[in-house]
Amino acid sequence: QSVLTQPPSASGTPGQRVTISCSGSSSNIGTRTVNWYQQLPGTAPKLLVYSDDQRPSGVPDRFSGSKSGTSASLAISGLQSEDEAEYYCATWDDSLNGLVFGGGTRLNVL
Amino acid sequence: QITLKESGPTLVKPTQTLTLTCTFSGFSLSTSGVAVGWIRQPPGKALEWLSLIYWDDDKRYSPSLKSRLTITKDTSKNQVVLKMTNMDPVDTATYYCAHAIVGEYSYIWNRFDPWGQGTLVTVSS
Repeated sequence: QSVLTQPPSASGTPGQRVTISCSGSSSNIGTRTVNWYQQLPGTAPKLLVYSDDQRPSGVPDRFSGSKSGTSASLAISGLQSEDEAEYYCATWDDSLNGLVFGGGTRLNVL
Repeated sequence: QITLKESGPTLVKPTQTLTLTCTFSGFSLSTSGVAVGWIRQPPGKALEWLSLIYWDDDKRYSPSLKSRLTITKDTSKNQVVLKMTNMDPVDTATYYCAHAIVGEYSYIWNRFDPWGQGTLVTVSS
């Protein structure tokens, strides 16, 4: 059972906008910034969003992060087939004094 | 350009100690605000954070695995080593190391970027 809760799956058609949620608590998302990682099949995770809503250079602006209270979201607009991947949220947890990941959301592009 | 690569055994027996090495380039682990972390992923399962070592040799461990983990660094060799004792089949996973940005004064982790390619470790007799 992950400290951060994500839906196991999400789906959309090309061109659509999808949102993936990440629910936590006051000791993690409510206090610390959130990262989002994309993991394509058979590859290492790649940073998509950090500090809640910042994109590293090279990440398309189709990907955007937001946070409100103890929940965070990743939005993907203009969905493309290459976006089909597993997405993970992550943050620091003050109570655990450690880093926590969500359980991951498998995004299917129909 | 920052790169990291994990190395170590692909197969270990139950009760043995696993030693993994992360060899990196493109940054120095003596620079303030820099750290290296270890994360693992069992086949078909989610990511799990293991450990973090900071530029000043401060260390953090996953609370659930703390008694089994030891992380060290060799700044001159650009390497970080993770040891995990008493290996069990449930520890079968791909193990990743990653470059981390952390708060220079708060020590709070900010992000992992980039990650190494990972190395699959199987625990079996």
